[in-house]
Amino acid sequence: DAGVIQSPRHEVTEMGQEVTLRCKPISGHNSLFWYRQTMMRGLELLIYFNNNVPIDDSGMPEDRFSAKMPNASFSTLKIQPSEPRDSAVYFCASSFGLAGIQETQYFGPGTRLLVL
Amino acid sequence: AQSVSQHNHHVILSEAASLELGCNYSYGGTVNLFWYVQYPGQHLQLLLKYFSGDPLVKGIKGFEAEFIKSKFSFNLRKPSVQWSDTAEYFCAVNAGNNRKLIWGLGTSLAVNP
Repeated sequence: DAGVIQSPRHEVTEMGQEVTLRCKPISGHNSLFWYRQTMMRGLELLIYFNNNVPIDDSGMPEDRFSAKMPNASFSTLKIQPSEPRDSAVYFCASSFGLAGIQETQYFGPGTRLLVL
Repeated sequence: AQSVSQHNHHVILSEAASLELGCNYSYGGTVNLFWYVQYPGQHLQLLLKYFSGDPLVKGIKGFEAEFIKSKFSFNLRKPSVQWSDTAEYFCAVNAGNNRKLIWGLGTSLAVNP
């Protein structure tokens, strides 16, 4: 199994540009999570999907952030327009299980985003 | 609001020293508890987890953690650390039926050879 795949691994962009991060969860997993990791705030859950449906997006910082999961094997996190304070490592994770059950989350390698 | 607190932000040990990393959470009901590890340059991976049963949980690479309900704690331990244990360690809690994991800020462990 290839694990959770994220692309790109590194992204450097200028303020105001649109950034799209991509994630392919582990085949068969039915939940997908987007996290942001910074030194100051640690690991923050941005949004998670179950069966391709967004369940909780309360962690999305503001309207500049949006996430989609058009099918079970693909999700995107988009930032438009990007700002320097969005610089962070963005992780995607997936898991399998029923709602509320104790699933282990499997993380991708992350996308290191730098907004200049 | 639910929260997870990891008391030690940075820990430096010599090889063969014993390790204990603290984790406390704030939630009075049923919890599921996790420790994840992030080795340098690698992605987060599960170290161990507790759902029910024996409160002393054994994980990979000689790690163990003890769930003490009365203290709302889930401390991570290892009797003798190795240089390869240098990593960032995260405690996470899943409370009740909430699918969200609440994460601690992490503890950075450096083991000197």
